[in-house]
Amino acid sequence: KQEVTQIPAALSVPEGENLVLNCSFTDSAIYNLQWFRQDPGKGLTSLLLIQSSQREQTSGRLNASLDKSSGRSTLYIAASQPGDSATYLCAPCKGYALNFGKGTSLLVTP
Amino acid sequence: GAGVSQSPSNKVTEKGKDVELRCDPISGHTALYWYRQSLGQGLEFLIYFQGNSAPDKSGLPSDRFSAERTGGSVSTLTIQRTQQEDSAVYLCASSAAGAGETQYFGPGTRLLVL
Repeated sequence: KQEVTQIPAALSVPEGENLVLNCSFTDSAIYNLQWFRQDPGKGLTSLLLIQSSQREQTSGRLNASLDKSSGRSTLYIAASQPGDSATYLCAPCKGYALNFGKGTSLLVTP
Repeated sequence: GAGVSQSPSNKVTEKGKDVELRCDPISGHTALYWYRQSLGQGLEFLIYFQGNSAPDKSGLPSDRFSAERTGGSVSTLTIQRTQQEDSAVYLCASSAAGAGETQYFGPGTRLLVL
C-alpha cells in the first residue's frame, strides 16, 4: 500500500518568502504525481501534474520536482502571498487512484 | 466552462437511513472517481468509473456502499444503513480519460450521520 508523507505538517511564513514543501512516497512505480491545494471547506484545486517521465513542472510561481526513484517530490512556491494560504496535498498515482498525503497547512502572513 | 458539481452540498441524516450523493462530471470526461475525506483519515479512494463501468471498486469500505454511473455522465454514490463512521466529506473527480490525466475535483458533499 502506498504511504505518502508530507513534511512539514504546518508552516507559517511572512509574505514574500520562498518556500519548499516536501512529499515522500513508498512505492516508486507511479504513473504521475499531482499537487493540489485545498481551501477550508472547499474541494481540491489541481496545481500541477508531473508525469513519471518528467523531472519538473512549472506554473507561474509554482515549481514541482519529481525524483521517482527515491520516492520524493517537492513543491517550491516563490514570493509567497497571503492568498497562498491553504493546505497543500501531494498525490502520487499508480493506476487510477490518487493516494494522498495528509497535507501541509500553509499560512502566509502579511 | 462548468467544473465538477456535486449535490447536495450538505446532508444530515439519522443512523440507519440510506443516502444518495450525486456527481456531475465535466462534460466530455470519460473517467469519474469518488473519494472520501474523513477527519484524521485524510483522503481515500473509493471507486473509479470508465464510461459506465467500474473497473476498480477496491476502495469501497463495505457492502453498504455502492455507486453507479449512467449515460457516461452523472454518478450516484449510495450509502445504505448509514453509520456514524460514514460521516465525512465525499469528493467526486473527473478526468478526460483514465490513468495519467489530471483529476478535477468537485466541492464535495459534507455528510453528517447523527
